[in-house]
Amino acid sequence: EVQLVESGGGLVQPGGSLRLSCAASGFTFSSYAMSWVRQAPGKGLEWVSGIATTGGSIYYADSVKGRFTISRDNSKNTLYLQMNNLRAEETAIYSCVRPTGSYILNPFDHWGQGTLVTVSS
Amino acid sequence: IVLTQSPGTLSLSPGERATLSCRASQSVSGSYLAWYQQKPGQAPRLLISGASSRATGIPDRFSGSGSGTDFTLTISRLEPEDFAVYYCQQYGRPPLTFGGGTKVEIK
Repeated sequence: EVQLVESGGGLVQPGGSLRLSCAASGFTFSSYAMSWVRQAPGKGLEWVSGIATTGGSIYYADSVKGRFTISRDNSKNTLYLQMNNLRAEETAIYSCVRPTGSYILNPFDHWGQGTLVTVSS
Repeated sequence: IVLTQSPGTLSLSPGERATLSCRASQSVSGSYLAWYQQKPGQAPRLLISGASSRATGIPDRFSGSGSGTDFTLTISRLEPEDFAVYYCQQYGRPPLTFGGGTKVEIK
């Protein structure tokens, strides 16, 4: 069974930093691209970033480019999201998602339950 | 690519047909358009990919159609468990984008 378990969320002040992790199991992690998607309370879905199987190809939403960094450690089956200079409007549940195949440009068939990031003073 | 979903809310009764629209600001290459269902407190569930291919385990009352800039999700006869929020997503070109969602509520 595919499992994606996020951690690292919490309360951070505007301008602060946070690093999210996603522990993957139940599939060959190194064979799949991975992405992060966020959802502000009561709002819609927003794709944040995606990374290819070896990390050789990475994409970001324009809203986070230059402040967020996605990475992965295939030896640990773990996906990361380093978030710097956070803004209040980025308060959201951040979820780790697995696409249907090895490319970033695929729909998502597995989602973690997410970790809540609250940006507030 | 900006995706605009309409209507924002659809009020229908069980057994009725639901038609949800997703319009893209540019042509979605390869019809790389997906639909998701999200219920309160749950992660989204993939329903349709490639504009019209149902994901594994999705009932055939769900169907997708369209190409280019105009896409439609149809639920032929609403079951009680179908009342939820539905999102479209394009994955043909980065950045991947989602529509704002359509809430299907019980009338």
